[in-house]
Amino acid sequence: DAKTTQPTSMDCAEGRAANLPCNHSTISGNEYVYWYRQIHSQGPQYIIHGLKNNETNEMASLIITEDRKSSTLILPHATLRDTAVYYCIVRVEGNKLVFGAGTILRVKS
Amino acid sequence: DVKVTQSSRYLVKRTGEKVFLECVQDMDHENMFWYRQDPGLGLRLIYFSYDVKMKEKGDIPEGYSVSREKKERFSLILESASTNQTSMYLCASNVGSGRAYEQYFGPGTRLTVT
Repeated sequence: DAKTTQPTSMDCAEGRAANLPCNHSTISGNEYVYWYRQIHSQGPQYIIHGLKNNETNEMASLIITEDRKSSTLILPHATLRDTAVYYCIVRVEGNKLVFGAGTILRVKS
Repeated sequence: DVKVTQSSRYLVKRTGEKVFLECVQDMDHENMFWYRQDPGLGLRLIYFSYDVKMKEKGDIPEGYSVSREKKERFSLILESASTNQTSMYLCASNVGSGRAYEQYFGPGTRLTVT
């Protein structure tokens, strides 16, 4: 099984880039990396996903290392509203998402 | 925008009561899911459904049942609520294939069983 390792928590200054790392050293060649986040009192929200290439959308950028053993989610200009738990997921069983513990990101003014 | 709604944000029930949690999605999604979320344990899948009247057990189905009579509605049933079922319950939905990773979640129902 591909498993992920994320730091328990991180702090980021408002307006600065937030870089959230994820290790997934046992990822297999056809497994994608997905990122979700969960703001307090809400359900999880899909952010971005990737396989090999770096990806960018309106919410974030995803940088995947060449060996695919780790990735970084980048929020380019973090705001207070980005304070949330961020989940890195590399295991999707059929249509099921397997969530780990995630990283608590605290954006501070 | 996809909208997934859940019938209650907060619910308090007594031990032994039968509890119904309702979930409705408005995007004609084939798949619907029920998770529970507990501190330190993350999200765990209880049941999911990939079509009307179809269901499959997730990782922790014991003590729960589900019903999907219409495509847009997926109900979670606690036949006889117990205190260890106190939790946050989250419903989600997504399309049948292709973008299976992109699940849309409801706001959650915080259930307390006393």
